[in-house]
Amino acid sequence: GESVGLHLPTLSVQEGDNSIINCAYSNSASDYFIWYKQESGKGPQFIIDIRSNMDKRQGQRVTVLLNKTVKHLSLQIAATQPGDSAVYFCAEIDPGANSKLTFGKGITLSVRP
Amino acid sequence: GAGVSQSPSNKVTEKGKDVELRCDPISGHTALYWYRQSLGQGLEFLIYFQGNSAPDKSGLPSDRFSAERTGGSVSTLTIQRTQQEDSAVYLCASSLGGEFGGYTFGSGTRLTVV
Repeated sequence: GESVGLHLPTLSVQEGDNSIINCAYSNSASDYFIWYKQESGKGPQFIIDIRSNMDKRQGQRVTVLLNKTVKHLSLQIAATQPGDSAVYFCAEIDPGANSKLTFGKGITLSVRP
Repeated sequence: GAGVSQSPSNKVTEKGKDVELRCDPISGHTALYWYRQSLGQGLEFLIYFQGNSAPDKSGLPSDRFSAERTGGSVSTLTIQRTQQEDSAVYLCASSLGGEFGGYTFGSGTRLTVV
């Protein structure tokens, strides 16, 4: 069936380096994508979103890239900080499915001091 | 309120008992979701309410699970005859719906069935 999944379960980066978190999705009907960050003991928090008519969107220290041809989404974090350590989820919305929000499996980002 | 509020934050219950989990969404948000998250896992979709539409219950794992949303606001997730495999964090989220983003999550209810 349709799914949203992540390539890597864990990612360890050195403080100050850039991080890239990847996500593959399989539902070609999805037209809106969101990245969430979840810290221990908390609910997921919105980071950045992108619509399917865009291929790049930038926020503060974060950039989301969307490649619809290969159904790939990535989150880039510049100058990774210890506070970026968390689990990151990509999520998609399919307007044909009553705009239901579907999450990928999640990847843990660990920042080494 | 300013955010999505869930109660209780923690619940320990004996196997076989029923539990009710509550979600107070952000005022005016028409969409409300329940998800379940087991330790170290992703978010498993349970149920989705959108305005006056019939709820999407396709994610409920068994008929022991049910949810309602009264007056388009507060939602209650009920688990009957709890089993140990029901132990997880139950997360609620609300939004304006569709592509308007703003999907805001509560901090969840950690359910432990002993």
